[in-house]
Amino acid sequence: DVKVTQSSRYLVKRTGEKVFLECVQDMDHENMFWYRQDPGLGLRLIYFSYDVKMKEKGDIPEGYSVSREKKERFSLILESASTNQTSMYLCASSSGQGLGNTIYFGEGSWLTVV
Amino acid sequence: GDSVTQMEGPVTLSEEAFLTINCTYTATGYPSLFWYVQYPGEGLQLLLKATKADDKGSNKGFEATYRKETTSFHLEKGSVQVSDSAVYFCALRSSSASKIIFGSGTRLSIRP
Repeated sequence: DVKVTQSSRYLVKRTGEKVFLECVQDMDHENMFWYRQDPGLGLRLIYFSYDVKMKEKGDIPEGYSVSREKKERFSLILESASTNQTSMYLCASSSGQGLGNTIYFGEGSWLTVV
Repeated sequence: GDSVTQMEGPVTLSEEAFLTINCTYTATGYPSLFWYVQYPGEGLQLLLKATKADDKGSNKGFEATYRKETTSFHLEKGSVQVSDSAVYFCALRSSSASKIIFGSGTRLSIRP
């Protein structure tokens, strides 16, 4: 089974802190994604990466950056956390460029910024 | 741009009732269509998918048919169970984008 592991399930951080959310997948997938999930808004794509050291902005990249130094690991960075970044963050991965390829999700990281 | 619209929730049904959750989409070309389910406290998991027009995806008693003429991919189940209580997301992946686009989700609650 594909496994996407997010390092932290629950985090509480202070405004202005730098926050790292880590994600690791074990299926040698080329593509990795970070989404945030908010009630009534569904899932919104923050960044995605289709290869090591490659990244592309999604729909809401402001206030975030990402790092992909190894194929299996994709990190989301909040440079200076703000309260409006309190949310559930979901990491995902998929193989290749096939339109029908399934995206596999981690269990999510609940971030609260106080 | 590409988009997905699904019926707003919450939807509350009694056990063994018939379920329909509507989903329509806008996309260029011929997208692939998906339904994902999120159980409480968990991430999303694929429920079913269809990759071309008139395909029917099915899993765990759920079905959805890819209707290109109406740009729809409605989710149905003939007899729901309490264990089906979850949030359901319709999604698409089109040739114009390598990402998946999700609808806003529909929360389903089933009463015993």
